[in-house]
Amino acid sequence: AQSVTQPDIHITVSEGASLELRCNYSYGATPYLFWYVQSPGQGLQLLLKYFSGDTLVQGIKGFEAEFKRSQSSFNLRKPSVHWSDAAEYFCAVGGYNTNAGKSTFGDGTTLTVKP
Amino acid sequence: GAGVSQSPRYKVAKRGQDVALRCDPISGHVSLFWYQQALGQGPEFLTYFQNEAQLDKSGLPSDRFFAERPEGSVSTLKIQRTQQEDSAVYLCASSAARTAYEQYFGPGTRLTVT
Repeated sequence: AQSVTQPDIHITVSEGASLELRCNYSYGATPYLFWYVQSPGQGLQLLLKYFSGDTLVQGIKGFEAEFKRSQSSFNLRKPSVHWSDAAEYFCAVGGYNTNAGKSTFGDGTTLTVKP
Repeated sequence: GAGVSQSPRYKVAKRGQDVALRCDPISGHVSLFWYQQALGQGPEFLTYFQNEAQLDKSGLPSDRFFAERPEGSVSTLKIQRTQQEDSAVYLCASSAARTAYEQYFGPGTRLTVT
C-alpha cells in the first residue's frame, strides 16, 4: 500500500529565511510525487510534480523539490520565504497503471511566516 | 470554465438527511476524483472516474456514499442518511490524463452534519 509521511506538523520561519519541508513516501514501484499548497478556504494548488528524469524539479512560486530514491524522500525547498507563503503544504504520491487513479496524501505541514 | 467548480460551497445537514454535492470539472478533462478532507488531515481518496466509468470506489467509507458521472462531465457525490462523522470538506479534482497526473482541485464543499 502507498503512504506518505510528513514528519513536521507545523513549521515557523522568518520572512527571507530558507525553508525545507520533509516528505517520505512508501510505494512499491516508481512513484508519481507531488507537492500541493492549500490556503484557508481554498482548494489545493499544484506546486510541482516528479514523474521521471531529473531528480531536482522546479515548481511555481520559486519552490523546488528533490527526489531521493534511496531515502524515499521528496523534500520541498525554497531559498527565501515570503509572507504570502504561509499556508498548508501537502505531499502526495500517485501511481501508474492499476492504481493510477489514486493519490495518497500526507497530513500536511502548516507553515507560519514571521515578519 | 476556468477551473473546477463545486457546489454548494457550504452545506449544513441534520443527521439522517440526504445530501448531494456537485462537481463541474475542467472542460474536456477525462478523469475526475473525489476526496474527503477531515479537519487537520490530508485529503483521502474516495472514488475515481475515467469519463463515465467509475474505475475505483475503494475509498468510499460506506454504502451510504454514492457517486456518479453519467455523461462523463459533471459528477455528483451523494451521501444518504448523513452522520456526524461525515462532516468534512469534500474535494473534487479533474485531470486531462487517464491517471492521477496533475490533478486540478476545486475549492471544496464543507459539509457540517448537526
